[in-house]
Amino acid sequence: DVKVTQSSRYLVKRTGEKVFLECVQDMDHENMFWYRQDPGLGLRLIYFSYDVKMKEKGDIPEGYSVSREKKERFSLILESASTNQTSMYLCASSVGSQPQHFGDGTRLSIL
Amino acid sequence: EDQVTQSPEALRLQEGESSSLNCSYTVSGLRGLFWYRQDPGKGPEFLFTLYSAGEEKEKERLKATLTKKESFLHITAPKPEDSATYLCAVQEGSGSEKLVFGKGTKLTVNP
Repeated sequence: DVKVTQSSRYLVKRTGEKVFLECVQDMDHENMFWYRQDPGLGLRLIYFSYDVKMKEKGDIPEGYSVSREKKERFSLILESASTNQTSMYLCASSVGSQPQHFGDGTRLSIL
Repeated sequence: EDQVTQSPEALRLQEGESSSLNCSYTVSGLRGLFWYRQDPGKGPEFLFTLYSAGEEKEKERLKATLTKKESFLHITAPKPEDSATYLCAVQEGSGSEKLVFGKGTKLTVNP
Protein backbone atom coordinates (compact mmCIF):
# COMPACT_ATOMS: atom_id res chain seq x y z
CA ASP A 1 0.00 0.00 0.00
CA VAL A 2 1.04 3.54 -0.73
CA LYS A 3 1.93 5.48 2.36
CA VAL A 4 1.94 9.27 2.39
CA THR A 5 3.13 10.69 5.68
CA GLN A 6 2.65 14.26 6.80
CA SER A 7 4.98 15.33 9.57
CA SER A 8 2.41 16.92 11.89
CA ARG A 9 -1.28 16.23 12.50
CA TYR A 10 -1.81 19.52 14.34
CA LEU A 11 0.26 22.71 14.26
CA VAL A 12 -0.23 26.10 15.89
CA LYS A 13 1.82 29.08 14.68
CA ARG A 14 1.75 32.85 14.99
CA THR A 15 1.16 35.42 12.26
CA GLY A 16 4.33 36.40 10.45
CA GLU A 17 6.13 33.14 11.18
CA LYS A 18 7.68 31.07 8.40
CA VAL A 19 5.98 27.66 8.49
CA PHE A 20 7.17 24.40 6.95
CA LEU A 21 4.85 21.46 6.27
CA GLU A 22 6.57 18.24 5.28
CA CYS A 23 5.29 15.31 3.25
CA VAL A 24 7.01 12.01 2.48
CA GLN A 25 5.82 9.18 0.22
CA ASP A 26 7.28 5.69 0.07
CA MET A 27 6.23 4.51 -3.41
CA ASP A 28 8.70 6.32 -5.69
CA HIS A 29 5.86 8.41 -7.17
CA GLU A 30 6.96 11.20 -9.49
CA ASN A 31 3.90 13.41 -8.86
CA MET A 32 3.26 15.15 -5.56
CA PHE A 33 0.57 17.68 -4.65
CA TRP A 34 -0.36 20.10 -1.88
CA TYR A 35 -4.01 21.00 -1.25
CA ARG A 36 -5.88 22.96 1.34
CA GLN A 37 -9.37 21.97 2.43
CA ASP A 38 -11.83 24.45 3.88
CA PRO A 39 -15.54 24.00 4.78
CA GLY A 40 -17.75 24.95 1.87
CA LEU A 41 -14.79 25.35 -0.50
CA GLY A 42 -13.63 21.78 -0.89
CA LEU A 43 -10.11 20.74 -1.87
CA ARG A 44 -8.06 23.40 -3.66
CA LEU A 45 -4.70 22.79 -5.27
CA ILE A 46 -1.85 25.00 -4.05
CA TYR A 47 1.22 23.59 -5.84
CA PHE A 48 2.30 20.38 -7.48
CA SER A 49 5.49 18.78 -8.70
CA TYR A 50 6.20 16.29 -11.49
CA ASP A 51 9.81 15.67 -10.60
CA VAL A 52 12.67 16.61 -8.33
CA LYS A 53 13.33 20.38 -8.29
CA MET A 54 10.31 20.92 -10.51
CA LYS A 55 7.15 22.77 -9.39
CA GLU A 56 4.02 24.24 -10.89
CA LYS A 57 1.44 26.59 -9.45
CA GLY A 58 -2.00 25.29 -8.69
CA ASP A 59 -5.14 27.34 -8.27
CA ILE A 60 -4.21 29.23 -5.06
CA PRO A 61 -0.40 29.61 -4.84
CA GLU A 62 -0.33 33.11 -3.32
CA GLY A 63 1.46 33.21 0.02
CA TYR A 64 2.96 29.74 -0.43
CA SER A 65 6.09 28.20 -1.91
CA VAL A 66 7.30 24.60 -2.22
CA SER A 67 10.51 22.64 -2.30
CA ARG A 68 11.28 19.23 -3.76
CA GLU A 69 14.93 18.34 -3.32
CA LYS A 70 14.36 14.56 -3.17
CA LYS A 71 11.80 12.49 -5.03
CA GLU A 72 10.09 11.22 -1.90
CA ARG A 73 9.76 14.55 -0.08
CA PHE A 74 7.63 17.60 -0.91
CA SER A 75 7.60 20.59 1.43
CA LEU A 76 5.05 23.40 1.61
CA ILE A 77 6.29 26.72 2.94
CA LEU A 78 4.18 29.56 4.26
CA GLU A 79 6.57 32.49 3.83
CA SER A 80 4.83 34.77 6.37
CA ALA A 81 1.84 33.04 7.95
CA SER A 82 -1.46 34.87 8.10
CA THR A 83 -4.73 34.00 9.83
CA ASN A 84 -6.45 33.30 6.49
CA GLN A 85 -4.04 30.41 6.03
CA THR A 86 -5.63 28.54 8.93
CA SER A 87 -6.83 25.36 7.25
CA MET A 88 -6.44 21.61 6.77
CA TYR A 89 -3.49 20.92 4.48
CA LEU A 90 -3.38 17.66 2.53
CA CYS A 91 -0.48 16.15 0.62
CA ALA A 92 -0.94 13.56 -2.15
CA SER A 93 1.22 11.56 -4.53
CA SER A 94 0.63 9.65 -7.74
CA VAL A 95 2.34 7.99 -10.68
CA GLY A 96 1.25 8.91 -14.19
CA SER A 97 -2.51 9.37 -14.36
CA GLN A 98 -3.16 6.83 -11.61
CA PRO A 99 -5.23 7.85 -8.56
CA GLN A 100 -3.70 10.26 -6.11
CA HIS A 101 -3.06 8.87 -2.62
CA PHE A 102 -3.43 11.21 0.31
CA GLY A 103 -1.86 11.67 3.70
CA ASP A 104 -4.01 12.25 6.77
CA GLY A 105 -3.51 15.99 6.71
CA THR A 106 -2.10 18.73 8.91
CA ARG A 107 -4.57 20.96 10.70
CA LEU A 108 -2.79 24.30 10.87
CA SER A 109 -3.94 27.16 13.07
CA ILE A 110 -2.41 30.61 12.69
CA LEU A 111 -3.00 32.85 15.71
CA GLU B 1 -13.38 26.52 -16.84
CA ASP B 2 -13.60 22.98 -15.50
CA GLN B 3 -16.31 22.44 -12.97
CA VAL B 4 -17.40 19.56 -10.77
CA THR B 5 -20.71 19.75 -8.89
CA GLN B 6 -21.83 17.20 -6.34
CA SER B 7 -25.35 16.78 -5.04
CA PRO B 8 -26.83 16.65 -2.55
CA GLU B 9 -24.50 18.46 -0.15
CA ALA B 10 -25.71 16.24 2.67
CA LEU B 11 -27.78 13.07 2.80
CA ARG B 12 -29.25 11.24 5.76
CA LEU B 13 -30.34 7.62 5.30
CA GLN B 14 -31.66 4.90 7.53
CA GLU B 15 -29.65 1.71 7.64
CA GLY B 16 -30.69 -0.39 4.64
CA GLU B 17 -32.18 2.54 2.71
CA SER B 18 -30.48 2.60 -0.71
CA SER B 19 -29.76 5.86 -2.52
CA SER B 20 -27.44 7.59 -5.01
CA LEU B 21 -25.00 10.47 -4.95
CA ASN B 22 -24.48 12.59 -8.05
CA CYS B 23 -21.38 14.16 -9.57
CA SER B 24 -21.87 16.30 -12.69
CA TYR B 25 -18.88 17.66 -14.56
CA THR B 26 -17.86 19.91 -17.41
CA VAL B 27 -14.34 19.29 -18.65
CA SER B 28 -12.43 19.54 -21.90
CA GLY B 29 -12.02 15.84 -22.56
CA LEU B 30 -12.22 13.46 -19.62
CA ARG B 31 -9.19 11.31 -18.82
CA GLY B 32 -10.64 9.90 -15.64
CA LEU B 33 -13.24 10.42 -12.90
CA PHE B 34 -12.28 9.46 -9.36
CA TRP B 35 -14.40 8.76 -6.27
CA TYR B 36 -12.92 9.13 -2.79
CA ARG B 37 -14.25 8.57 0.70
CA GLN B 38 -13.15 10.90 3.50
CA ASP B 39 -13.68 10.25 7.20
CA PRO B 40 -13.52 13.12 9.71
CA GLY B 41 -9.93 14.14 10.48
CA LYS B 42 -8.49 11.89 7.76
CA GLY B 43 -7.29 12.28 4.20
CA PRO B 44 -9.41 11.11 1.26
CA GLU B 45 -9.27 7.37 0.58
CA PHE B 46 -9.44 6.23 -3.04
CA LEU B 47 -12.49 4.18 -4.07
CA PHE B 48 -12.89 4.03 -7.87
CA THR B 49 -11.65 5.33 -11.20
CA LEU B 50 -13.94 5.50 -14.23
CA TYR B 51 -12.58 6.29 -17.68
CA SER B 52 -15.38 6.12 -20.23
CA ALA B 53 -19.15 6.48 -20.50
CA GLY B 54 -20.95 3.26 -19.68
CA GLU B 55 -18.24 2.02 -17.33
CA GLU B 56 -19.23 0.66 -13.90
CA LYS B 57 -17.17 -0.31 -10.87
CA GLU B 58 -18.33 -2.05 -7.67
CA LYS B 59 -16.95 -2.49 -4.19
CA GLU B 60 -19.05 -4.04 -1.44
CA ARG B 61 -22.19 -1.87 -1.12
CA LEU B 62 -20.91 0.83 -3.51
CA LYS B 63 -21.31 0.99 -7.26
CA ALA B 64 -20.04 3.84 -9.43
CA THR B 65 -21.33 4.57 -12.93
CA LEU B 66 -20.34 7.11 -15.57
CA THR B 67 -22.12 8.94 -18.40
CA LYS B 68 -20.79 11.71 -20.64
CA LYS B 69 -21.90 14.39 -18.20
CA GLU B 70 -22.18 12.81 -14.77
CA SER B 71 -21.32 9.99 -12.45
CA PHE B 72 -23.41 8.30 -9.80
CA LEU B 73 -22.30 6.56 -6.65
CA HIS B 74 -25.03 4.09 -5.73
CA ILE B 75 -25.13 2.85 -2.15
CA THR B 76 -27.10 -0.33 -1.64
CA ALA B 77 -28.40 -1.23 1.84
CA PRO B 78 -25.99 1.14 3.60
CA LYS B 79 -24.65 0.55 7.08
CA PRO B 80 -23.65 3.15 9.70
CA GLU B 81 -19.98 2.56 8.85
CA ASP B 82 -20.66 3.94 5.36
CA SER B 83 -21.12 7.37 6.94
CA ALA B 84 -18.46 9.67 5.48
CA THR B 85 -17.99 12.48 2.99
CA TYR B 86 -17.77 11.23 -0.58
CA LEU B 87 -15.67 13.28 -2.99
CA CYS B 88 -15.68 13.22 -6.77
CA ALA B 89 -12.75 14.49 -8.86
CA VAL B 90 -12.07 14.72 -12.59
CA GLN B 91 -8.85 14.69 -14.57
CA GLU B 92 -9.02 16.50 -17.88
CA GLY B 93 -7.61 15.28 -21.14
CA SER B 94 -4.88 17.87 -21.63
CA GLY B 95 -2.19 15.64 -20.14
CA SER B 96 -2.09 17.41 -16.79
CA GLU B 97 -2.09 15.19 -13.73
CA LYS B 98 -4.18 17.75 -11.83
CA LEU B 99 -7.55 16.80 -10.35
CA VAL B 100 -10.52 19.12 -9.98
CA PHE B 101 -12.58 18.19 -6.92
CA GLY B 102 -16.23 18.68 -6.13
CA LYS B 103 -17.20 19.90 -2.69
CA GLY B 104 -18.41 16.50 -1.58
CA THR B 105 -21.57 14.86 -0.24
CA LYS B 106 -21.71 14.21 3.49
CA LEU B 107 -23.52 10.92 4.03
CA THR B 108 -24.95 9.94 7.41
CA VAL B 109 -26.43 6.48 7.88
CA ASN B 110 -28.49 6.07 11.02
CA PRO B 111 -28.87 2.66 12.69
